[in-house]
Amino acid sequence: SQQGEEDPQALSIQEGENATMNCSYKTSINNLQWYRQNSGRGLVHLILIRSNEREKHSGRLRVTLDTSKKSSSLLITASRAADTASYFCATVSDNYGQNFVFGPGTRLSVLP
Amino acid sequence: KAGVTQTPRYLIKTRGQQVTLSCSPISGHRSVSWYQQTPGQGLQFLFEYFSETQRNKGNFPGRFSGRQFSNSRSEMNVSTLELGDSALYLCASSGQGPHEQYFGPGTRLTVT
Repeated sequence: SQQGEEDPQALSIQEGENATMNCSYKTSINNLQWYRQNSGRGLVHLILIRSNEREKHSGRLRVTLDTSKKSSSLLITASRAADTASYFCATVSDNYGQNFVFGPGTRLSVLP
Repeated sequence: KAGVTQTPRYLIKTRGQQVTLSCSPISGHRSVSWYQQTPGQGLQFLFEYFSETQRNKGNFPGRFSGRQFSNSRSEMNVSTLELGDSALYLCASSGQGPHEQYFGPGTRLTVT
């Protein structure tokens, strides 16, 4: 079974609204990363949060990590149509030999 | 710095044939990972090469193989293609350690 699971599977919002996506995982991790993928293209790294960090910001992105609940959230503030994409969380864990394990992703649609 | 490049971008093959995909990592990156992405299974890890050695391997049959050259360029080969091998194949490079990965645009393989 997959290490990471994103929630919701799909999200549709209006431009200017905030979008929140969640990721849950099963085993202890070294770090957790969020990636964005525009339709059928390669993934773009957004942000990395280490297991000893609780919150991290990058521009309009805010990521939180709760290791006790084995969950993370990605908040995109003041969303734009260009934010329309799929968002994936990836965990890096000794349990998986330092491999990146990706969740199924959240499909975000930002309507103009 | 030039990004990760993958060739070819699109490929159509027939069942039973074999295929070789190529990936050139970012200059200075020694780790190259390969992923298969399908609508049903999501992003699945195939293998990772570091300094010409396979360091990690995912749960794929032996028909999937890879190699890395001394200049860090990598190839993956799929023999005896099956319809289910139709997918977007992504490669990603990174520096040493489980840091963020930089993805190429992918090779879209269609098996008919």
